[in-house]
Amino acid sequence: QKEVEQNSGPLSVPEGAIASLNCTYSDRGSQSFFWYRQYSGKSPELIMFIYSNGDKEDGRFTAQLNKASQYVSLLIRDSQPSDSATYLCAVNSYGNKLVFGAGTILRVKS
Amino acid sequence: SAVISQKPSRDICQRGTSLTIQCQVDSQVTMMFWYRQQPGQSLTLIATANQGSEATYESGFVIDKFPISRPNLTFSTLTVSNMSPEDSSIYLCSVLSSGGINEQFFGPGTRLTVL
Repeated sequence: QKEVEQNSGPLSVPEGAIASLNCTYSDRGSQSFFWYRQYSGKSPELIMFIYSNGDKEDGRFTAQLNKASQYVSLLIRDSQPSDSATYLCAVNSYGNKLVFGAGTILRVKS
Repeated sequence: SAVISQKPSRDICQRGTSLTIQCQVDSQVTMMFWYRQQPGQSLTLIATANQGSEATYESGFVIDKFPISRPNLTFSTLTVSNMSPEDSSIYLCSVLSSGGINEQFFGPGTRLTVL
């Protein structure tokens, strides 16, 4: 059973701080890793993907991947109240399918 | 990314009835998927909708309960059959990007409540 684990939170950070979201996965064969943001009542929105070890930066977001440790993280710098949402980690599986973690609720306090 | 629409956006149904959800994409896509998101839960893949052939179902999901059609490369339907209150969920279709990184983009979802 391929699994993706996330801390459900909620993770509370003050406005302007760095939010750090973490994810571990069980399938060593996974090649692509995704972070989706889901606002309450909305569908998931892709915000980052990463497939090479190391860091990938896009604006205020940085995705980090460590395949040896089977660990993916998402850093959000200068957190804003509008970043408050559930963040879903997803890992590719065979047949182009994605396996999702349970999601981490992020709350940014102004 | 592709623009994806779903109909209906929400519905309230009686137990024992069936509902068909439509997913329309504004461009041809190779792969389409159907997910379920139960209240407070993450996304669970129901099946991969294959164009011109039977859908590929994940463990725990069967064709009799969730028949899927995909008549062309821009359209798919998911039917939730003989519904019970346990089927109350958000149903989402997604499409595989043509960018080669296996990213998926989601439609707006259909919120189903079964009484």
